Amino acid sequence: EVLMTQSPATLSVSPGEGATLSCRASQSVSTNLAWYQHKPGQAPRLLIFGAFNRATGVPARFNGRGSGTEFTLTISSLQSEDFAVYYCQQYHNWPLTFGGGTKVEV
Amino acid sequence: EVQLVESGGGLVEPGGSLRLSCAGSRFTFKNYPMTWVRQAPGKGLDWVSGISASGDSTYYADSVKGRFTISRDNSKNTLSLQMNSLGAEDTAVYYCARADFFFYMDVWGKGTTVTVSS
Repeated sequence: EVLMTQSPATLSVSPGEGATLSCRASQSVSTNLAWYQHKPGQAPRLLIFGAFNRATGVPARFNGRGSGTEFTLTISSLQSEDFAVYYCQQYHNWPLTFGGGTKVEV
Repeated sequence: EVQLVESGGGLVEPGGSLRLSCAGSRFTFKNYPMTWVRQAPGKGLDWVSGISASGDSTYYADSVKGRFTISRDNSKNTLSLQMNSLGAEDTAVYYCARADFFFYMDVWGKGTTVTVSS
């Protein structure tokens, strides 16, 4: 099983600032990596697939980078609606696995 | 708008069974793999099971293998998850999600809550 480790667990940011979230895989997942945004009481939302491809309707301030075992999600100039929990997920191997999440808070 | 609606959640005693359903609409259901993902109280997302578009291939997390069965009825645009031998560790919100061929999840339902307790 590919273990996904996200850091930090919590990131405190002010609106307008940028944020960088990290995700590390225990073995190479190539670019088979997705990022999701999840707010309480809502369905998770796909942000990034293929490590760096933005999903339909995702603002350009969300950017994914990386390959192999090291990945980052960068949010430039955080808006109020961006405060949420972010998860990475690998789909390179079965079973699919998620990271533990990074909570982005004010 | 593409939509997934889960149903079937509820309170069940330890050792009991429950069957979840997910109805898909406004997309060609038979063309997409589907998955179940859960979130236990205070925890992160946890992938449970997946099924190919045709239903020929199924995949399970080790934690549910042998207890849960995923299936689909493409004629009714419905995904199901039969859950047996439930334990407290299965208490969670269960999300149905549409998957791309490569199994990242691009559309999610709002979830249905399963509580396992006596």
